[in-house]
Amino acid sequence: EDKVVQSPLSLVVHEGDTVTLNCSYEVTNFRSLLWYKQEKKAPTFLFMLTSSGIEKKSGRLSSILDKKELFSILNITATQTGDSAIYLCAVGSGTYKYIFGTGTRLKVLA
Amino acid sequence: DTGVSQDPRHKITKRGQNVTFRCDPISEHNRLYWYRQTLGQGPEFLTYFQNEAQLEKSRLLSDRFSAERPKGSFSTLEIQRTEQGDSAMYLCAGGTSYGYTFGSGTRLTVV
Repeated sequence: EDKVVQSPLSLVVHEGDTVTLNCSYEVTNFRSLLWYKQEKKAPTFLFMLTSSGIEKKSGRLSSILDKKELFSILNITATQTGDSAIYLCAVGSGTYKYIFGTGTRLKVLA
Repeated sequence: DTGVSQDPRHKITKRGQNVTFRCDPISEHNRLYWYRQTLGQGPEFLTYFQNEAQLEKSRLLSDRFSAERPKGSFSTLEIQRTEQGDSAMYLCAGGTSYGYTFGSGTRLTVV
């Protein structure tokens, strides 16, 4: 059965800290991996990863995929209180669908 | 504005009633997904459209659920004979092969 596991489930850090969020997966016919940030509303798209070893970067956020070891990490440097959210990972499996993990709840304290 | 509009934002309905939700992606979004999300869980796949063709439907979807995208633009999701277990956030995502944008969702409460 396809599955996507995110860790840790929750994380509390102080402003300025660097965090690393993990997403591991077991799916048939991997297509791509997506990262989203979800606050009190719908998820906001962060990255799409399809190739191993190529880092995607947007400001203080970056992400990389390892297709051999079947995982991805999302790094956030110099965290701010506005980074507090649930970070979701989704993996494209089979032909069309994406399977989401349960997310990592990040809280950044001032 | 995410480029994907959903309507209504909230819906409260009595058990046994039918409900219909609408999703309007931007014209460039040839791909469209419906997901359902409950508290503390990630979104759960319901169905996928490429243009007007419904190409995949979750086995989790019972016969009470149906979705359409008649002209490859907006889409509707209908739930017939609602049950309390249908209470959730229903999310629509539109996009292309480069990524997918979610709408703000429709929160359904079945009482």
